Amino acid sequence: LAKTTQPISMDSYEGQEVNITCSHNNIATNDYITWYQQFPSQGPRFIIQGYKTKVTNEVASLFIPADRKSSTLSLPRVSLSDTAVYYCLVGKGQAGTALIFGKGTTLSVSS
Amino acid sequence: ETGVTQTPRHLVMGMTNKKSLKCEQHLGHNAMYWYKQSAKKPLELMFVYSLEERVENNSVPSRFSPECPNSSHLFLHLHTLQPEDSALYLCASSQDRAGGRLYGYTFGSGTRLTVV
Repeated sequence: LAKTTQPISMDSYEGQEVNITCSHNNIATNDYITWYQQFPSQGPRFIIQGYKTKVTNEVASLFIPADRKSSTLSLPRVSLSDTAVYYCLVGKGQAGTALIFGKGTTLSVSS
Repeated sequence: ETGVTQTPRHLVMGMTNKKSLKCEQHLGHNAMYWYKQSAKKPLELMFVYSLEERVENNSVPSRFSPECPNSSHLFLHLHTLQPEDSALYLCASSQDRAGGRLYGYTFGSGTRLTVV
């Protein structure tokens, strides 16, 4: 699985847009980029997944440049409840493979 | 409820006890996983089961013993644990597709284990 690098922590205020960037210089042609969110004492929750360009769902947007060596998770108008750890993972779905989580980005949202 | 249920939610056990953690998924997935998360550390992969066969044991001590009797159930049997084994134990499932695309993991809420 490709190694990823993301900021250890970020701070924001309610109502702001938050962008978390992840770099994955060694991404393979068949790899997808997936982001998870984890609250304390809970399992991670799937947020969004993409391969190239832009993906948007009801929770977030994912921007992937043409070279795919990085990606940016965008959270519009964050609230206090968005305080969590956000993980960026790169890989592809193959039987028996497993996700390897890094340290993630701890987002703290204040009022 | 995510579709992956873990029991118990909390467990306190002595170092000489034997206990088991249970995970059940109702999503029709064909792969299941155990992860360990110690305080302020990343998730550590422990075991992977695909189609009920163990495909990866991530160098986990033998005091942790997994069991996957069918594609919907996964157990983690614990015996003679150490205090440093205290952690949040997370179960996850996915629908693996050989050859690629879209694996979304669904995690349970975890079992908070304290070894005394």
